[in-house]
Amino acid sequence: DAGVIQSPRHEVTEMGQEVTLRCKPISGHNSLFWYRQTMMRGLELLIYFNNNVPIDDSGMPEDRFSAKMPNASFSTLKIQPSEPRDSAVYFCASNIRGQGGYTFGSGTRLTVV
Amino acid sequence: DQQVKQNSPSLSVQEGRISILNCDYTNSMFDYFLWYKKYPAEGPTFLISISSIKDKNEDGRFTVFLNKSAKHLSLHIVPSQPGDSAVYFCAASAQGGSEKLVFGKGTKLTVNP
Repeated sequence: DAGVIQSPRHEVTEMGQEVTLRCKPISGHNSLFWYRQTMMRGLELLIYFNNNVPIDDSGMPEDRFSAKMPNASFSTLKIQPSEPRDSAVYFCASNIRGQGGYTFGSGTRLTVV
Repeated sequence: DQQVKQNSPSLSVQEGRISILNCDYTNSMFDYFLWYKKYPAEGPTFLISISSIKDKNEDGRFTVFLNKSAKHLSLHIVPSQPGDSAVYFCAASAQGGSEKLVFGKGTKLTVNP
């Protein structure tokens, strides 16, 4: 199994531009999570999906952030427009609901200049 | 409000000695706890977990202790090895792990040869 796959690994963009982060969960996993890691706030949950349906998006910081899961094998996190304070590492994770620990991807390091 | 707290940002120990990482939680609904390890430029990886029906779980050199009355858990690594140098995250969930994981900010462990 290739694990959770995220792309791109690194993204540098200018303030105001649209950014799209991508995630392919592990096949057979029915829950998908988007986390953001910063020095100040640690690992914070942005949104999670069960069976492709968004369950809790209370961690999404602003309307500039949106996430979709059109099918069981793909999810996107979009930031439009991006701002320098969005700079962070964004992780995607997946699991089988109720089976505890998540498997994380390697993350996307986003830098907004 | 931080529901999961790791009050020590960093810890340094000598190779062969014991490493003790601590974690406190405030939400009494949490009943499933996990430790993750994270190397630079990688996603967090699952290390060990414990259910609230237990007070100890052991896996090789790693032992997690849970004190429900104090809302405190700790991870013991014995003996510590240089390869254990990483950031360790404590995480908690309700409903036996069916609910979302809430992470602490992490403790950076350095094991000196």
